[in-house]
Amino acid sequence: AQSVAQPEDQVNVAEGNPLTVKCTYSVSGNPYLFWYVQYPNRGLQFLLKYITGDNLVKGSYGFEAEFNKSQTSFHLKKPSALVSDSALYFCAVDSGGYQKVTFGTGTKLQVIP
Amino acid sequence: ETGVTQTPRHLVMGMTNKKSLKCEQHLGHNAMYWYKQSAKKPLELMFVYSLEERVENNSVPSRFSPECPNSSHLFLHLHTLQPEDSALYLCASSQETGVQETQYFGPGTRLLVL
Repeated sequence: AQSVAQPEDQVNVAEGNPLTVKCTYSVSGNPYLFWYVQYPNRGLQFLLKYITGDNLVKGSYGFEAEFNKSQTSFHLKKPSALVSDSALYFCAVDSGGYQKVTFGTGTKLQVIP
Repeated sequence: ETGVTQTPRHLVMGMTNKKSLKCEQHLGHNAMYWYKQSAKKPLELMFVYSLEERVENNSVPSRFSPECPNSSHLFLHLHTLQPEDSALYLCASSQETGVQETQYFGPGTRLLVL
């Protein structure tokens, strides 16, 4: 069975500081990893994904994520946080099994002006 | 906007009512999905359709009945729901149902069952 864990319910960061939102996964095969963002009263929006190749993946709005196979992690990062980045962030994994894509519980990011 | 629309955006219904949620995608995708989003829980995949055929049903109670008349439209028919069914119901679409596919989500329908 595949699973994904987002250990932090909420992350607070000051505007202009770097941010990290953590994600770890568990799969039996090769992982395909995704980050989505959900703004208030909106559906989820795709940010970035890792399929294969470079471990550092760059995505929308200046976000990037690093795939670390040994630590089974796919943390989301941004060098300088904006207030407008405040939202709910979901990590997801798909290994091609019967479960289809599995989402984490989400991490609320609060960027403080 | 993502190209996926959902109506209504908000719905309040009693346990004996029958209602339907509608989803429409304007992206030319072949796969559509229904998810349930509850607070502090992972998104729960409910149904998956590929080319109008249901390919996944994650043990969803029969009070939820999906319908996919064509690749652009997806419905979720609701009847005799329970208060614990109150949640945000998200529709999504993707080009195919493969592992690498990015899903595009609608804004959701906020459902309250009284």
